[in-house]
Amino acid sequence: GENVEQHPSTLSVQEGDSAVIKCTYSDSASNYFPWYKQELGKRPQLIIDIRSNVGEKKDQRIAVTLNKTAKHFSLHITETQPEDSAVYFCAATFTYDKVIFGPGTSLSVIP
Amino acid sequence: NAGVTQTPKFQVLKTGQSMTLQCAQDMNHEYMSWYRQDPGMGLRLIHYSVGAGITDQGEVPNGYNVSRSTTEDFPLRLLSAAPSQTSVYFCASSYLLAGAYEQYFGPGTRLTVT
Repeated sequence: GENVEQHPSTLSVQEGDSAVIKCTYSDSASNYFPWYKQELGKRPQLIIDIRSNVGEKKDQRIAVTLNKTAKHFSLHITETQPEDSAVYFCAATFTYDKVIFGPGTSLSVIP
Repeated sequence: NAGVTQTPKFQVLKTGQSMTLQCAQDMNHEYMSWYRQDPGMGLRLIHYSVGAGITDQGEVPNGYNVSRSTTEDFPLRLLSAAPSQTSVYFCASSYLLAGAYEQYFGPGTRLTVT
């Protein structure tokens, strides 16, 4: 079935360290993989995305990698800062138009 | 440009009551969707629409109805509320860009069913 798994569910890092969150998806036809950040009590906000014809994408301290063969993709945050603390969600498209989310990772950056 | 708006922000219902959560967008996006968010379970897709007059079911459609009579509006109806429907509901809209939909979320509606 349509499924997105995400690990770890919680992650604590020291300020300045890197954080990595990994997701796997079930449908090899999925072609779009966004990442969202949600701060407490707020709506999810798109922070970066990657399409199936690209293996890696960077935006300042954030990068996403995609391995289509293994059906997994990862979010990398370097030089973490306290304001990076939030819940991060990965997602994947299924049957072209259905966007399914992973269960989320709660990231805490310790000053 | 207000983006995606949702009303109400908070709602308390009794079991068996019905209500409609409103969602509107002013960006002329063809794609709209409803998610519910429960602790530890992420965002689960309830229903979605790829254009006016077209709707389809997501992961957890039972107990919810939708319709899409205009591009701007995508209301979510709870026919007979149950405590299991206590959740935060997010509406999202998106447009097709380079073969993929980039979604923009509304501020959410926190629903409690007693």
